[in-house]
Amino acid sequence: KQEVTQIPAALSVPEGENLVLNCSFTDSAIYNLQWFRQDPGKGLTSLLLIQSSQREQTSGRLNASLDKSSGRSTLYIAASQPGDSATYLCAVQDNTGKLIFGQGTTLQVKP
Amino acid sequence: DVKVTQSSRYLVKRTGEKVFLECVQDMDHENMFWYRQDPGLGLRLIYFSYDVKMKEKGDIPEGYSVSREKKERFSLILESASTNQTSMYLCASSANYRVGGYTFGSGTRLTVV
Repeated sequence: KQEVTQIPAALSVPEGENLVLNCSFTDSAIYNLQWFRQDPGKGLTSLLLIQSSQREQTSGRLNASLDKSSGRSTLYIAASQPGDSATYLCAVQDNTGKLIFGQGTTLQVKP
Repeated sequence: DVKVTQSSRYLVKRTGEKVFLECVQDMDHENMFWYRQDPGLGLRLIYFSYDVKMKEKGDIPEGYSVSREKKERFSLILESASTNQTSMYLCASSANYRVGGYTFGSGTRLTVV
């Protein structure tokens, strides 16, 4: 059974720092991996989608990498801002098409 | 941009009521999903659908049913609401079940009293 783990569970950094969020999964037979952002009490906003054949995707200050063979993905946030404060969720799409989520990393960026 | 619209942001219902949560997507996606999200338990899949009139059970279908009469609309039904169904409910859709990413709605916070 696929399991997705995100480390750390919570992170607090000063504004301007570069930071890395980690995601690992137990079964490398995935179709894609998606990173989401969730603000308190709100829905999920898709940040980046990496297909299984890709190694990384970039959007603005965000860069996500995927190493399928080792079951790992990282989300890199450059020059963090207070507006980046949110919970970040990693999810893999398994061979049935379903998304399996990690528990999330709650990020606080202090001014 | 794909939009997934959930009809209510907040709902308060009484125990035993029949509750309908509505979800509509505007990009002709084949696949639609209902999740619930609870602190400490994360997101759990309730039901999903790969086509009109199709439905498949997810990980926690008990106490729920779904309806998909039209491609763009996927309804979650709580047959007899109970307090343990108080939760955040999230609807999602995707275009291609193997390649496409998911788009989520803004969520419905349901409280059953």
